[in-house]
Amino acid sequence: NAGVTQTPKFQVLKTGQSMTLQCAQDMNHNSMYWYRQDPGMGLRLIYYSASEGTTDKGEVPNGYNVSRLNKREFSLRLESAAPSQTSVYFCASRFNRGMETQYFGPGTRLLVL
Amino acid sequence: GESVGLHLPTLSVQEGDNSIINCAYSNSASDYFIWYKQESGKGPQFIIDIRSNMDKRQGQRVTVLLNKTVKHLSLQIAATQPGDSAVYFCAEVDSWGKFQFGAGTQVVVTP
Repeated sequence: NAGVTQTPKFQVLKTGQSMTLQCAQDMNHNSMYWYRQDPGMGLRLIYYSASEGTTDKGEVPNGYNVSRLNKREFSLRLESAAPSQTSVYFCASRFNRGMETQYFGPGTRLLVL
Repeated sequence: GESVGLHLPTLSVQEGDNSIINCAYSNSASDYFIWYKQESGKGPQFIIDIRSNMDKRQGQRVTVLLNKTVKHLSLQIAATQPGDSAVYFCAEVDSWGKFQFGAGTQVVVTP
């Protein structure tokens, strides 16, 4: 089991460029999440997908779009990157039942110049 | 709004001593709580969880205490080791499965 994998590990963009962050999980989880982590702040939810075929906005969705491609994969797209989107992005997945934790990927470090 | 926070941003502890990391929460309807460990450059990892109807749970070298009266959660690490150096943060989870994370405490283990 690889768990949750994310690509790329690190990316530098210029303002206005677009990119897609990829996430995949091999644990057969229902739910998948995208967070951003900024210094001194807790993880903030960008978008989530409670099950295949559904996506919902989180706390900070502006400037992002997502696609739940299938049960395994959940991608995050920045259409026109801004310096304010410089952050570390984490994907997570979880079973939708009981007292279940979220399992996190290793993160993507994004720098927007 | 509801929030989860930590009292101390940085905790310096000597190797072999016990560490206590604190977390305050405000949502009395939270169903359970989780502690995560995040090492530098890595994603958060589950340490231990506790349901809201419990006040204590023990794991390997870790104990979580829940005080619902004052809405306080703590993580105790026994005999702290250099490998325990990391950021620790708590999360509260409501009955809908919504997670809210605290900002974290940096634990630095000194020899």
